[in-house]
Amino acid sequence: NAGVTQTPKFQVLKTGQSMTLQCAQDMNHEYMSWYRQDPGMGLRLIHYSVGAGITDQGEVPNGYNVSRSTTEDFPLRLLSAAPSQTSVYFCASRRLAGGRNTGELFFGEGSRLTVL
Amino acid sequence: AQKITQTQPGMFVQEKEAVTLDCTYDTSDPSYGLFWYKQPSSGEMIFLIYQGSYDQQNATEGRYSLNFQKARKSANLVISASQLGDSAMYFCAMRPAGGSYIPTFGRGTSLIVHP
Repeated sequence: NAGVTQTPKFQVLKTGQSMTLQCAQDMNHEYMSWYRQDPGMGLRLIHYSVGAGITDQGEVPNGYNVSRSTTEDFPLRLLSAAPSQTSVYFCASRRLAGGRNTGELFFGEGSRLTVL
Repeated sequence: AQKITQTQPGMFVQEKEAVTLDCTYDTSDPSYGLFWYKQPSSGEMIFLIYQGSYDQQNATEGRYSLNFQKARKSANLVISASQLGDSAMYFCAMRPAGGSYIPTFGRGTSLIVHP
């Protein structure tokens, strides 16, 4: 069972470089999201999507871009990396409704990004 | 707006003892779900337990139980018979049943289990 797959697991960037964090899920989940985790801050929502073609901003969207062209994929783009974007990034997905759905999030393994 | 508060940055417990991790929440939504996740040192996020706001009984999953006190807006996690493998960060989260569906996370509690 693949679940939620994130790549890469580790990345080092220089200030100003761009990159894309990939996220794919094989559970047909409508909802997908990106979080960043910083020490003492918990998980903060960057962007989310409730279906293909629909995205919206979370708590900390600045400097990040997303798109959702398919149900399975939800890439996160850093347009011009800054040291403040050094963090651990998690992609998470869940079903929106139906059955005995408790709506818990299924997480990827995380991507550790360092911006020098 | 929703808010989750975990007031214990760090907790220590002796192996085989029980421990309670605190979580309080604030929401104006009449229907919501409460979650606890575990993050071991390896970094992955693991779903532990769920409580619906209209559930009559407190949720239990093996050694985990959720002490849900709706009037006090608290959703404490109780771990019974602690094991060394329970050492981890624990996050409380809440999600409204409708509307934006967006879950809000607390800042986490670090639990260390001593042998």
